[in-house]
Amino acid sequence: DIVMTQSPLSLPVTPGEPASISCRSSQSLLNSNGYHYLDWYLQKPGQSPQLLIYLGSSRASGVPDRFSGVGSGTDFTLKISRVEAEDVGVYYCMQGLQTLLTFGQGTRLEIK
Amino acid sequence: QLQLQESGPGLVKPSETLSLTCNVSGDSISSNSYYWGWIRQPPGKGLEWIGSIYSSGSAYYNPSLKSRVTISVDTSKNQFSLKLSSVTAADTAVYYCARHAGYCGGGSCYYYYILVWGKGTTVTVSS
Repeated sequence: DIVMTQSPLSLPVTPGEPASISCRSSQSLLNSNGYHYLDWYLQKPGQSPQLLIYLGSSRASGVPDRFSGVGSGTDFTLKISRVEAEDVGVYYCMQGLQTLLTFGQGTRLEIK
Repeated sequence: QLQLQESGPGLVKPSETLSLTCNVSGDSISSNSYYWGWIRQPPGKGLEWIGSIYSSGSAYYNPSLKSRVTISVDTSKNQFSLKLSSVTAADTAVYYCARHAGYCGGGSCYYYYILVWGKGTTVTVSS
């Protein structure tokens, strides 16, 4: 199984400041087709998760451009250029390179 | 606009079978190259993939649940279903149905892009 490890698990951020969340996988997420099978999701309080970034760095439709995904191999980062109050919630990375799809533990972003 | 809606009992007794259905509206479950999956979230915890199915009926399961899980698709009703047998309190969770992209080949599957999620349904296992 591919284990996904996120850090930090809790992230207090001042509005307007940048934020980043790290996700490391126990093995490379690079597929032979050249894509990294790594997605990022945000679960806002009381809601279903929503897709932010797919295949490592592609922003989903409707996602603000302050969100970006970078990384390769086993190390990935979700970056928020300027945090807004609506960004609070739990962020999950997810790998889909193996049939057993797995998620990170989640990172809780809160506003200072 | 594609929408997914889970339905089923909110309370299941230990050792019985949990049965949920996801109704798909706004698109045909048979159209496009998407997979239809179930993901659950125990209270206060993270997300766990249960399994996914293609419209052809090919299903793939989490090995930790495989002996107890069956996912099926009913194209005539535009819905897919989850059955989880011999439930215990550890199966108490919010259960989400979702649509995602991916492909399977050479004995492996590659998944991504879970764009559409249901609102989730809470299932409690208790006598």
